[in-house]
Amino acid sequence: EAQVTQNPRYLITVTGKKLTVTCSQNMNHEYMSWYRQDPGLGLRQIYYSMNVEVTDKGDVPEGYKVSRKEKRNFPLILESPSPNQTSLYFCASSLFKGSVTEAFFGQGTRLTVV
Amino acid sequence: GIQVEQSPPDLILQEGANSTLRCNFSDSVNNLQWFHQNPWGQLINLFYIPSGTKQNGRLSATTVATERYSLLYISSSQTTDSGVYFCAVNLSGYALNFGKGTSLLVTP
Repeated sequence: EAQVTQNPRYLITVTGKKLTVTCSQNMNHEYMSWYRQDPGLGLRQIYYSMNVEVTDKGDVPEGYKVSRKEKRNFPLILESPSPNQTSLYFCASSLFKGSVTEAFFGQGTRLTVV
Repeated sequence: GIQVEQSPPDLILQEGANSTLRCNFSDSVNNLQWFHQNPWGQLINLFYIPSGTKQNGRLSATTVATERYSLLYISSSQTTDSGVYFCAVNLSGYALNFGKGTSLLVTP
């Protein structure tokens, strides 16, 4: 089954404790991306990747890191989480044909930073 | 940047009713998708529809790219249709731009 898998689904952590949210897709998509969803602000892009070793900032990259060492995986790293990073996070993947085509989203990761 | 406006913002229906959700966008787009965010927060793909009409069971969608709008039709609504419906577009490049969504509640 074609899917995007995020882990964990839920996470409560303390300020400053490094964490990684994993994302994996099995559709051989070149393009992967991370979004965060906040009430009143909607979904906003954090980072995206066009292929292995190619990443770039989205609209709200501050406080986040990403890496793309393999085509299927695109982890999101919070090196020193803060309470303002409490949010619902989504990973997405798609083919890229000059622009993003049909995007598939993971199940979401609900992060709380206390 | 491209503006994506969805209407209505909120909708309450009785089970069995039909509804039409609208998405207007401010520029020509390469990609348009409809998603359903269920009460558990998951984003479910409904349609990838840059243009034309598609149907999937009780749901159908139409995008008129030249007039910059898309419609999502829900027929014979069920309580499991409740949630937030998002329209998302891609102009050219690397991000989907989401509308603010239509929050739908279907009552028994």
